[in-house]
Amino acid sequence: IAGITQAPTSQILAAGRRMTLRCTQDMRHNAMYWYRQDLGLGLRLIHYSNTAGTTGKGEVPDGYSVSRANTDDFPLTLASAVPSQTSVYFCASSPGAAGGPDTQYFGPGTRLTVL
Amino acid sequence: GQNIDQPTEMTATEGAIVQINCTYQTSGFNGLFWYQQHAGEAPTFLSYNVLDGLEEKGRFSSFLSRSKGYSYLLLKELQMKDSASYLCAVSDNDYKLSFGAGTTVTVRA
Repeated sequence: IAGITQAPTSQILAAGRRMTLRCTQDMRHNAMYWYRQDLGLGLRLIHYSNTAGTTGKGEVPDGYSVSRANTDDFPLTLASAVPSQTSVYFCASSPGAAGGPDTQYFGPGTRLTVL
Repeated sequence: GQNIDQPTEMTATEGAIVQINCTYQTSGFNGLFWYQQHAGEAPTFLSYNVLDGLEEKGRFSSFLSRSKGYSYLLLKELQMKDSASYLCAVSDNDYKLSFGAGTTVTVRA
């Protein structure tokens, strides 16, 4: 059982370059999320998707875009990377059942450095 | 908006008890989660409270008071492997999570 996988594990990127972080889950969860985690700030929600075909903005969406073409995949794209986007990025998924607890399960993370 | 506060760091001795407090002010509430995160790893689910009171799960217990906007995570019989960050997270009306900055617990022999 894989759960949630993310790729790449880590990446060093030049400022201005485009980058897509991949996230795939095999739990048939409806909802998926992207967070960034920075020292002292905790996890902050970037974008989310309640179900395939829909997306929404989280707390810190600027500079990022997402798509949800199917249930399993939820890629995060940085159109033109900037050094402030250096962070650890976590993808998560949850069953998405209202009236929950809608427990979120996290992928292993991608460590991104923008120079 | 959400405002979630928890201490930055705590240190305790192996075999002891540690209590991690979390206070929150949120625009909506659908439960409070605690996650454990070891260094360099992903957060993993520990507990969920939506009603007032204590939820016990082995060595870990979590308490919630909705009227006070307060929760705590109690770790008993501390082991070295409990050294980690503990994240408090509140679920809002749309079931999205807002996280505190995390409390790093160091267990000493």
